[in-house]
Amino acid sequence: EDQVTQSPEALRLQEGESSSLNCSYTVSGLRGLFWYRQDPGKGPEFLFTLYSAGEEKEKERLKATLTKKESFLHITAPKPEDSATYLCAVRSNDYKLSFGAGTTVTVRA
Amino acid sequence: DSGVTQTPKHLITATGQRVTLRCSPRSGDLSVYWYQQSLDQGLQFLIQYYNGEERAKGNILERFSAQQFPDLHSELNLSSLELGDSALYFCASSVEGGETQYFGPGTRLLVL
Repeated sequence: EDQVTQSPEALRLQEGESSSLNCSYTVSGLRGLFWYRQDPGKGPEFLFTLYSAGEEKEKERLKATLTKKESFLHITAPKPEDSATYLCAVRSNDYKLSFGAGTTVTVRA
Repeated sequence: DSGVTQTPKHLITATGQRVTLRCSPRSGDLSVYWYQQSLDQGLQFLIQYYNGEERAKGNILERFSAQQFPDLHSELNLSSLELGDSALYFCASSVEGGETQYFGPGTRLLVL
């Protein structure tokens, strides 16, 4: 069974204080690792898809990287509007996504 | 806005009742996925339909069923509702099975 573990559970940052979120996974045949952002009471918003070790994707202050066993989401110089729960998910040979529990990021001004 | 729509936004009902949640996928998407999100369980995959046919099943209870219609919209039917069924129910869609999934705004179900 696919497993996704995210750490830390919660992260409190000062505005401008860069940090990283971790997503470790075990999957039989990775067909994609996905990062989503979720605001309270809203649907997950797609951020990135990574397919192979060594791949990196960037969008504004966010950068996602992938190794064979984990992925990192780096937040550079965060702003209060980056406050959200960040979800990691993996897809193996079937079609479903297996999600981690998420990291809740709070950025204080 | 992801382009995926879900109705209703909120639903309050009583134990033992039956409800139907509706989802319209993004234009051009053939796959629809249903997820349940509760506080203690995170996002759990329930079921996937592709172009009207069931393609994958997750942790979906026997009291729950779904279908996808010829116009590609989908409905999730929840019956004999229990208190523990209170959760956010999300629909997602993708072009074909497995690519990036785009999520709708969800339906918040409260069973009293």
